[in-house]
Amino acid sequence: DVKVTQSSRYLVKRTGEKVFLECVQDMDHENMFWYRQDPGLGLRLIYFSYDVKMKEKGDIPEGYSVSREKKERFSLILESASTNQTSMYLCASSPLHNPNYGYTFGSGTRLTVV
Amino acid sequence: RKEVEQDPGPFNVPEGATVAFNCTYSNSASQSFFWYRQDCRKEPKLLMSVYSSGNEDGRFTAQLNRASQYISLLIRDSKLSDSATYLCVVTPGANNLFFGTGTRLTVIP
Repeated sequence: DVKVTQSSRYLVKRTGEKVFLECVQDMDHENMFWYRQDPGLGLRLIYFSYDVKMKEKGDIPEGYSVSREKKERFSLILESASTNQTSMYLCASSPLHNPNYGYTFGSGTRLTVV
Repeated sequence: RKEVEQDPGPFNVPEGATVAFNCTYSNSASQSFFWYRQDCRKEPKLLMSVYSSGNEDGRFTAQLNRASQYISLLIRDSKLSDSATYLCVVTPGANNLFFGTGTRLTVIP
């Protein structure tokens, strides 16, 4: 089974801190994604990547950046955390050019910014 | 207009009931369709893909209506363990999925 692992399940950070959320997948998938999920808004795409060192903005990239130095790892960075970034963050992966595959998600990181 | 729209519910049904959810999508070029299930405070997990001819997996039946741009999920003989949020997911063929906000189902003993 594909496994997508997010480094932290729960995280509490202070306003203004730089925050790193890590995601690792073990099935050699090309595509990796970062979403945030908020009540009533569903999943919203922050950034995605189709290849190493490649990144594309999603629907809500403001206040975030990403890094993909290795194929299996996709990091989400909050440059200066703010309270409106309190949310559930979900990483996902999928193979390239296989739209019928769907995504496999990590178990999520619930981030609280105080 | 949202890419994918779902009735948020909640749907509260007794055990053994049949329940159906619909979901509409805006992009007529969409190529792949899925239903995901998400339990409280857990990640979404793929429930089933939706094929043009419709498909069934045990008590679950998925249908696609391209002309009207909607997909449906039917659950027969509901179990308590079916209680979850069901997410409708659509992809235009690129490597990106669009998620609905989910429909919450509670199966009552």
